[in-house]
Amino acid sequence: DVKVTQSSRYLVKRTGEKVFLECVQDMDHENMFWYRQDPGLGLRLIYFSYDVKMKEKGDIPEGYSVSREKKERFSLILESASTNQTSMYLCASTTAQETQYFGPGTRLLVL
Amino acid sequence: GDSVTQMEGPVTLSEEAFLTINCTYTATGYPSLFWYVQYPGEGLQLLLKATKADDKGSNKGFEATYRKETTSFHLEKGSVQVSDSAVYFCALRLMKAGTALIFGKGTTLSVSS
Repeated sequence: DVKVTQSSRYLVKRTGEKVFLECVQDMDHENMFWYRQDPGLGLRLIYFSYDVKMKEKGDIPEGYSVSREKKERFSLILESASTNQTSMYLCASTTAQETQYFGPGTRLLVL
Repeated sequence: GDSVTQMEGPVTLSEEAFLTINCTYTATGYPSLFWYVQYPGEGLQLLLKATKADDKGSNKGFEATYRKETTSFHLEKGSVQVSDSAVYFCALRLMKAGTALIFGKGTTLSVSS
């Protein structure tokens, strides 16, 4: 079975802190994605990556950056966390044209 | 632009009732269509998919048919169970390889016994 893991299920951070959310997949997938999920808004794409060291902006990249140094790992970085970044963050991975597999999500609270 | 519209919830049903969750899409070309389900406290799981017109996806008693003429992919189940209570997301993927999914806003289903 494909497994996508995220480093934390719950995180509480303070405004202005730098926050790292880690995602690891074990299926050698090329494509990895970060979404945020908010009530009434569904899932919105933040960033995605087609290969190591490659990244592309999604629909809402402002306030976020990403890193993909190894194929299996895709990190989402909040350079200076703000309260409007309180959300559920979901990572997904896939090979081209295949089903996306999601991690369990990280619920982030920024105080 | 490309988008997915699904019926707003919450949808509240009694056990064994018939379920329909409407989903329509706008997209260039011929997208693949998906239904994902999210149980409380969990990530999203693929429920079913269809990759071309008139395909029917099915899983766990749920069905959806890709209707190109009405640009729809409605989710149905003949007899829901309490364990089906979850949030359901309709999504599309464009033909371009590796493109991320475009999701609807989700529909919350609550089934009571």
